Amino acid sequence: GAVVSQHPSWVICKSGTSVKIECRSLDFQATTMFWYRQFPKQSLMLMATSNEGSKATYEQGVEKDKFLINHASLTLSTLTVTSAHPEDSSFYICSASPTTDQETQYFGPGTRLLVL
Amino acid sequence: SQQGEEDPQALSIQEGENATMNCSYKTSINNLQWYRQNSGRGLVHLILIRSNEREKHSGRLRVTLDTSKKSSSLLITASRAADTASYFCATPASGGSYIPTFGRGTSLIVHP
Repeated sequence: GAVVSQHPSWVICKSGTSVKIECRSLDFQATTMFWYRQFPKQSLMLMATSNEGSKATYEQGVEKDKFLINHASLTLSTLTVTSAHPEDSSFYICSASPTTDQETQYFGPGTRLLVL
Repeated sequence: SQQGEEDPQALSIQEGENATMNCSYKTSINNLQWYRQNSGRGLVHLILIRSNEREKHSGRLRVTLDTSKKSSSLLITASRAADTASYFCATPASGGSYIPTFGRGTSLIVHP
């Protein structure tokens, strides 16, 4: 089956530093990838839609300068949390839609970010 | 915005019992999906049911969809301890969208 990986799986950083999270589709090409964040016992909230070769589309209330998204290839999207603060601590999950089946999404295992 | 809402928020049952979770949504949809999430992990897609379907099965899972009531249910029969997880329904973000938006989920605990 289709596999999406995320790296790192968890990260602890100091306040003010930037953290990059990678999302890769391992065995399929994904024109579109999505980034979500999830707080404990809460729903997944869509942050942005990442399209290969173009700018990401951010959901209302999500700061694009804070959460930089790059989708440089059909198998890789990155989310960079710039100048991270403790309130950015969360579980970040990406998903990818195969180019040949945009109705389906495959989710990565998530990245847990803790900002001290 | 969040459209689907699961009910109950938490469910605790014994192994072998059936578990039923419900999802209600607000606007017309062309499909509805159910996902499972084990603690601290990513989501696993379970079933997609389209608006012209009323019921769908996959192994021990049975999903129903009632578009007139804007609701769906997920039934897990003969539950196992390994079914312990959070279950989310997801509906498209907007009319023709494929982007799912999630409810808060139902936390299911199956006691061995």
